[in-house]
Amino acid sequence: AQTVTQSQPEMSVQEAETVTLSCTYDTSENNYYLFWYKQPPSRQMILVIRQEAYKQQNATENRFSVNFQKAAKSFSLKISDSQLGDTAMYFCASHAGGTSYGKLTFGQGTILTVHP
Amino acid sequence: KAGVTQTPRYLIKTRGQQVTLSCSPISGHRSVSWYQQTPGQGLQFLFEYFSETQRNKGNFPGRFSGRQFSNSRSEMNVSTLELGDSALYLCASSSPGTSPHEQFFGPGTRLTVL
Repeated sequence: AQTVTQSQPEMSVQEAETVTLSCTYDTSENNYYLFWYKQPPSRQMILVIRQEAYKQQNATENRFSVNFQKAAKSFSLKISDSQLGDTAMYFCASHAGGTSYGKLTFGQGTILTVHP
Repeated sequence: KAGVTQTPRYLIKTRGQQVTLSCSPISGHRSVSWYQQTPGQGLQFLFEYFSETQRNKGNFPGRFSGRQFSNSRSEMNVSTLELGDSALYLCASSSPGTSPHEQFFGPGTRLTVL
């Protein structure tokens, strides 16, 4: 079974600064996928960034990047130049690949507040 | 393309009743997954349907069921509602042919059981 752990229930950052959200996971699979999702107060879950485990290069999407440490089973999200619109709950999630059809395993979430 | 839609957005029921929630995936997406989100348990996987077949199921009692139609629209049903079923129910669609396992979520249905 896969597990995902987010050890930071809440984080805050000043606008324009950088913040890093932590995530660790446990899996026995070789071909798995990792995601960060954002859930703003509107409750709509939005994909922020994805990482395939077989890729060594860390994924980046504009101001969002990850630090994927496969041996340590760590998958942190860095948000650069934080904006007020980044205020949301952030979920780290994994997919085991293979026959784990449609099943994402989520961490508990980190509430991020960006202050002006 | 239109996103994933869910109806209704809000629902209030009483214990013992049953409820049906609907999800329309992104056009062309044939996989639909359902999740329950509560403050205590977080996001938990309910089940996944692909081409009208349930391929995967989470650890929920049999009161939770679902189905998928030929147009990929999906419904989930909860029978004999309990207070603990109060939650945000999210559905997500995906297309294995493009970005594998990347799911696109709907806005959710907020179910309150009184």
